Amino acid sequence: DVKVTQSSRYLVKRTGEKVFLECVQDMDHENMFWYRQDPGLGLRLIYFSYDVKMKEKGDIPEGYSVSREKKERFSLILESASTNQTSMYLCASSQGTGFAQETQYFGPGTRLLVL
Amino acid sequence: GEDVEQSLFLSVREGDSSVINCTYTDSSSTYLYWYKQEPGAGLQLLTYIFSNMDMKQDQRLTVLLNKKDKHLSLRIADTQTGDSAIYFCAEVWAGSYQLTFGKGTKLSVIP
Repeated sequence: DVKVTQSSRYLVKRTGEKVFLECVQDMDHENMFWYRQDPGLGLRLIYFSYDVKMKEKGDIPEGYSVSREKKERFSLILESASTNQTSMYLCASSQGTGFAQETQYFGPGTRLLVL
Repeated sequence: GEDVEQSLFLSVREGDSSVINCTYTDSSSTYLYWYKQEPGAGLQLLTYIFSNMDMKQDQRLTVLLNKKDKHLSLRIADTQTGDSAIYFCAEVWAGSYQLTFGKGTKLSVIP
């Protein structure tokens, strides 16, 4: 079974703090994704990566950066957390070698509260 | 339109069938997906259908695809309280590895 894990289920941070959200997958997947989920807005793609050290902006990259130094790990960084970044953050991965392999497998999510 | 469209809410009685509808955006989409999200959890892949299929059945789940109308539906037979969740449809466009998600349909099952 594909396993995607996220470092924290819940986080509470203060405005202006630097926040790291970590995601690890154990299936040697090429692609990894970070989404945020907000009520009434569904899932919105923040960043994705299709290879080590490669990244692409998604729909809402402002205020975020990412790092992918190893294939299995994809980090989302909030350089200076703000209250409007309070949200549920979901990480996903996909094999990335063909159409059916674009099935994305999700981690359990990190619920971030910025005070 | 540019968005994957879903109704936001659906309420059914336990034992009835549930039908969740979705309109997607691109007739060239190759695969269409249904994901389930239980409260406080991530998304769990339920099923997917290839665009050259009309129907796919998997136990209590039936997926119907109408390519002409870009309409996808998920039918859950004999709906149980454990089926209460948010259901997302998603499409992947030809040549892409990004999924485009609908906003999700919250299914409430009344005992």
